[in-house]
Amino acid sequence: QSALTQPASASGSPGQSITISCTGTSSDVGGFNYVSWYQQHPGKAPKLIIYDVSNRPSGVSDRLSGSKSGNTASLTISGLQAEDEADYYCCSYTSSSTWVFGGGTKLTVL
Amino acid sequence: QVQLQESGPGLVKPSQTLSLTCTVSGASISSGNYYWSWIRQPAGKELEWIGRIYTSGSTYYNPSLKSGVTISLATPKNQFSLKLNSVTAADTAVYFCARGIVIPPAFDYWGHGILVTVSS
Repeated sequence: QSALTQPASASGSPGQSITISCTGTSSDVGGFNYVSWYQQHPGKAPKLIIYDVSNRPSGVSDRLSGSKSGNTASLTISGLQAEDEADYYCCSYTSSSTWVFGGGTKLTVL
Repeated sequence: QVQLQESGPGLVKPSQTLSLTCTVSGASISSGNYYWSWIRQPAGKELEWIGRIYTSGSTYYNPSLKSGVTISLATPKNQFSLKLNSVTAADTAVYFCARGIVIPPAFDYWGHGILVTVSS
């Protein structure tokens, strides 16, 4: 099972919107609506921010949203804030009953 | 607040067994609708799911990993563990424990991770 493909880095200015893509195959992202996203600040545990492609857990800002088209899922962060600077990972359930992650995207708020 | 904490040796010799424990607080590992997973991340590489154990004790491991992986529960201690046999330098990574939700499928709580280096 190959890793999902994410851009290594992304950046934006405060107030702007950015979108991080996550590309897989029909055996993972495209085959299931079980895509989740995780935010990780340095030295901290990863935090679940999106599940089932587009749902936010309680307490997660509504500035974060998720979507999917075909084999590509996306995470959009609107109204960028300094606190959004972190690493972001996508994850998908697979046809092998396993989980596969993306390589991670380092988001810099300029 | 649910918290997970990994513990174990940070250095393991090649061909030996890597053993890690995850201590769960704020939730019972016997709770339904959850399972418990190990995930690792070699430096500069993507996260790799290792396997999971349900509260029933049933396990499933990533087929892409070589054999020799064992995940087990220590219910009285509210802990679960990972054993990885015959390690090599390729097993050097930060190891995370995480709680998985059956429905909806996701990992809702993670530990901070523990760096394990395989070296003589």
